[in-house]
Amino acid sequence: GIQVEQSPPDLILQEGANSTLRCNFSDSVNNLQWFHQNPWGQLINLFYIPSGTKQNGRLSATTVATERYSLLYISSSQTTDSGVYFCAVEGYNNNDMRFGAGTRLTVKP
Amino acid sequence: DADVTQTPRNRITKTGKRIMLECSQTKGHDRMYWYRQDPGLGLRLIYYSFDVKDINKGEISDGYSVSRQAQAKFSLSLESAIPNQTALYFCATSETGPMGSMGYTFGSGTRLTVV
Repeated sequence: GIQVEQSPPDLILQEGANSTLRCNFSDSVNNLQWFHQNPWGQLINLFYIPSGTKQNGRLSATTVATERYSLLYISSSQTTDSGVYFCAVEGYNNNDMRFGAGTRLTVKP
Repeated sequence: DADVTQTPRNRITKTGKRIMLECSQTKGHDRMYWYRQDPGLGLRLIYYSFDVKDINKGEISDGYSVSRQAQAKFSLSLESAIPNQTALYFCATSETGPMGSMGYTFGSGTRLTVV
């Protein structure tokens, strides 16, 4: 199956800083999504982004499908951005979403 | 009410016991999934179903079974629980889009401990 690698595994920021999270995948994908898991364990869908760029407030994401990576940008980070960010992909020949191991983000006040 | 509801929220069970985790949704989505989450490993897919008559194994289906009782209900069973099945279990739903699954929505999770 498709391999999904996320980097960095851990990231610590001061409030107000910007960050970039990366997701690399091993094969062509039909679908790519970014999720945030808050410290209470709740998983929220951030972006559905198989290609191109999207923005939602302080968050934006870019997927370059031909080069098999996606980036999640967080600007002016806040303590509420803390948690784990997951990238998940769905291949053309698979019908299931494969998750990366996540990037654990800690934003300090 | 939550769009995707999992019951129970927490469960402690003994080795060898049969246990069922239940999931119901009000999203009207056709696709439903069961994942488990272990520390540092992200989420791994156990089973998924694209409609009531469709059941598919995921990455780690051994030791688990599922039942899609209706479009809105998808249950996960551990026939004989073992300690390494201790994990956080998530149910998720999605709808079929032009580029695969869209609108992924997760339940709040069930924390299962097998002693």
